[in-house]
Amino acid sequence: NAGVMQNPRHLVRRRGQEARLRCSPMKGHSHVYWYRQLPEEGLKFMVYLQKENIIDESGMPKERFSAEFPKEGPSILRIQQVVRGDSAAYFCASSPGGPNAEQYFGPGTRLTVT
Amino acid sequence: DQQVKQNSPSLSVQEGRISILNCDYTNSMFDYFLWYKKYPAEGPTFLISISSIKDKNEDGRFTVFLNKSAKHLSLHIVPSQPGDSAVYFCAGGATNKLIFGTGTLLAVQP
Repeated sequence: NAGVMQNPRHLVRRRGQEARLRCSPMKGHSHVYWYRQLPEEGLKFMVYLQKENIIDESGMPKERFSAEFPKEGPSILRIQQVVRGDSAAYFCASSPGGPNAEQYFGPGTRLTVT
Repeated sequence: DQQVKQNSPSLSVQEGRISILNCDYTNSMFDYFLWYKKYPAEGPTFLISISSIKDKNEDGRFTVFLNKSAKHLSLHIVPSQPGDSAVYFCAGGATNKLIFGTGTLLAVQP
């Protein structure tokens, strides 16, 4: 049973470009979460999605960031017009849902903005 | 506002001894708590969780204790092994959102 898959593992973008990060949840999981880890900090919640629905986006910056989890295919975290401050490790997690469900994390995408 | 705090950035223990990692929280709405282990350049790996209605949960070498009145939880690893060397994060869970502490780097010396 494959774990949570994320690609790419490393992404380099110039300021002003777009970054697309992909996440395929574990088989049987329909709940996806995105977290960001800035250098020397813990993971910060960004957004929680179920298939075709955004459930909680309280941690997402109001501008330039968007997320989707379509009926078919992976979840996508999209960052438009990247800035140097977007450089971070972005982790996706999935769970089967339900109360107190553990979240299982992917290996992360390390975004570097030059 | 840091809702979950891990006040010890690092901890060093001898192989075979007990490792105790601590975590404090301020949010009374957390339904459950989790501990994750993280190696560099990898995603966090789930270790153990505890419901807010329990005070102890044990899984092999790992035991988590929860003191709700003190808003404190701890992870005990016994016996500690060199492979346990990693960064350990505690997290509080509420409405499917996890709030993480800043992590404690555990070094287990052979």
